Amino acid sequence: AQSVTQPDIHITVSEGASLELRCNYSYGATPYLFWYVQSPGQGLQLLLKYFSGDTLVQGIKGFEAEFKRSQSSFNLRKPSVHWSDAAEYFCAVDKDTGRRALTFGSGTRLQVQP
Amino acid sequence: DVKVTQSSRYLVKRTGEKVFLECVQDMDHENMFWYRQDPGLGLRLIYFSYDVKMKEKGDIPEGYSVSREKKERFSLILESASTNQTSMYLCASSWRGYEQYFGPGTRLTVT
Repeated sequence: AQSVTQPDIHITVSEGASLELRCNYSYGATPYLFWYVQSPGQGLQLLLKYFSGDTLVQGIKGFEAEFKRSQSSFNLRKPSVHWSDAAEYFCAVDKDTGRRALTFGSGTRLQVQP
Repeated sequence: DVKVTQSSRYLVKRTGEKVFLECVQDMDHENMFWYRQDPGLGLRLIYFSYDVKMKEKGDIPEGYSVSREKKERFSLILESASTNQTSMYLCASSWRGYEQYFGPGTRLTVT
């Protein structure tokens, strides 16, 4: 079945440490790819997106993600985590490349230790 | 900045009641969406609309209907609320196939 997988339900990192959140998709063609963040009690905010071109994309708040076609992955990274990054992170795909509807992964909750 | 607003942040309804969740966007976006969010399941698409009076079913439309009479407004309707519809409901809008902008969500409790 076509799906989006975020294998890590919960991750804890120390402030200042690097971060990588994993996302894999299982669609035949390359979809449009997104990472969203949801802070407690808030809606979702777009961190970054990939449509085509350069496979390393930069987003807001110092985040970046790399698209790897061979691995069907779109992992999110940050070199140095801040306490304010504690939130839930969702990977999403537009599998119809522009048809508009997104399919979301189940999310990864990030906890940041002082 | 795009603004998507939802009529209520918190809502408590009784089983069998008809429930309306309203969503308004102010950026003239063509597309609007309703998702529900449940722990461990992420966001699941209920319905979306790509034009006024147009709608398409998402992944979990059962028990829900929608209405889009004006471009800026998209309503989610629970005809007869049930306890398994207790959830967080998120509305979003987008222009064509690009990124979606989300509202703050409505936490609905059905007792």
